[in-house]
Amino acid sequence: AQSVTQPDIHITVSEGASLELRCNYSYGATPYLFWYVQSPGQGLQLLLKYFSGDTLVQGIKGFEAEFKRSQSSFNLRKPSVHWSDAAEYFCALYSGSARQLTFGSGTQLTVLP
Amino acid sequence: GAGVSQSPSNKVTEKGKDVELRCDPISGHTALYWYRQRLGQGLEFLIYFQGNSAPDKSGLPSDRFSAERTGESVSTLTIQRTQQEDSAVYLCASSLVGSGVDEQYFGPGTRLTVT
Repeated sequence: AQSVTQPDIHITVSEGASLELRCNYSYGATPYLFWYVQSPGQGLQLLLKYFSGDTLVQGIKGFEAEFKRSQSSFNLRKPSVHWSDAAEYFCALYSGSARQLTFGSGTQLTVLP
Repeated sequence: GAGVSQSPSNKVTEKGKDVELRCDPISGHTALYWYRQRLGQGLEFLIYFQGNSAPDKSGLPSDRFSAERTGESVSTLTIQRTQQEDSAVYLCASSLVGSGVDEQYFGPGTRLTVT
């Protein structure tokens, strides 16, 4: 069965600092991977996705993620965090056989001024 | 255009009562998904519709949960005889085709509290 692990429940960074959110997955086939962001009272918004090809994918709001098959990881990065980036971030894996997204438990990001 | 909408935004109900949660997907989206998000946890898949057919009901936690969809339009998630462990945010998403790799667009959710 597939699974997604986000080891960090809560991360705090200062505005302007760099950010890396970790995501590890377990899946027997080629994974389709996603990062979503959820702001308070809002639905989830897709930041970026990886299907195949270039292992470094660019997303919205200046985010990028790198797929590393050898490490079963898909970490999200941003060079310089803005206060508006404070939110909860979810990594997700698509299972073609089950036609569903499997989500990690999320990482809550706090941005200090 | 309009995004995915859900109603009500908040629902407080007494244990043992039935509740209905509604989802209006983006017009033209053939696939619709329901997820549950318990406090401090990730999203848990409940059910998936392709058109008005639900090929995968494996995520429904018990027979108290059921869902329907009218054509490629509105969907209703019904929870009968609610229990306190049903308290969660219920999120609906829709996607254009339902191949899975197309983007799922999420609604704002319905926060259900069972007292």
